[in-house]
Amino acid sequence: DVKVTQSSRYLVKRTGEKVFLECVQDMDHENMFWYRQDPGLGLRLIYFSYDVKMKEKGDIPEGYSVSREKKERFSLILESASTNQTSMYLCASSLTGVSGYTFGSGTRLTVV
Amino acid sequence: AQSVTQLDSQVPVFEEAPVELRCNYSSSVSVYLFWYVQYPNQGLQLLLKYLSGSTLVKGINGFEAEFNKSQTSFHLRKPSVHISDTAEYFCAVTPGNNAGNMLTFGGGTRLMVKP
Repeated sequence: DVKVTQSSRYLVKRTGEKVFLECVQDMDHENMFWYRQDPGLGLRLIYFSYDVKMKEKGDIPEGYSVSREKKERFSLILESASTNQTSMYLCASSLTGVSGYTFGSGTRLTVV
Repeated sequence: AQSVTQLDSQVPVFEEAPVELRCNYSSSVSVYLFWYVQYPNQGLQLLLKYLSGSTLVKGINGFEAEFNKSQTSFHLRKPSVHISDTAEYFCAVTPGNNAGNMLTFGGGTRLMVKP
């Protein structure tokens, strides 16, 4: 089974901190995605990557950046955390559109 | 571009009753369709998918979905729900011509199974 591992289940950070959310997949998938999930708003795409060192903005990239130095790892960076970035963050990977996505367990981030 | 509408944000149902969670999509090309389930404080996991062939698709945990091209729908059904089916369910679509690998998600439906 494909595994997507997010490094933290719960995180509490202070306003203004730089925050790193890590995601690692173990099945050589080309595509990786970062979403945030908020009540009533569903899943919103932040960034995605189709290859190493490649990134594309999703629907809500403001306040975030990403890094993909290795195929298996896709990091989400909050440059200066703010309270409105308190959310559940979900990482996913896929081989093709046909295969669908495999999701990690999520990181619930609270910014205080 | 594709879009997905899940018509009900919440569906309360009693245990052992049947349930239908509705999903409609919009697309100018043929599509592949997916249903995912998210249990509390977890990521999403794939329930079932429609790629081609039979329009009735069976998935895990006794769920099934029917693709209706004329109505652009992909409703999810279960004949008898359990308390453990309480979760959020997401419908998703991707272009069938594999132009890119992006899934577009609906807003989700929270299924609440009551004893």
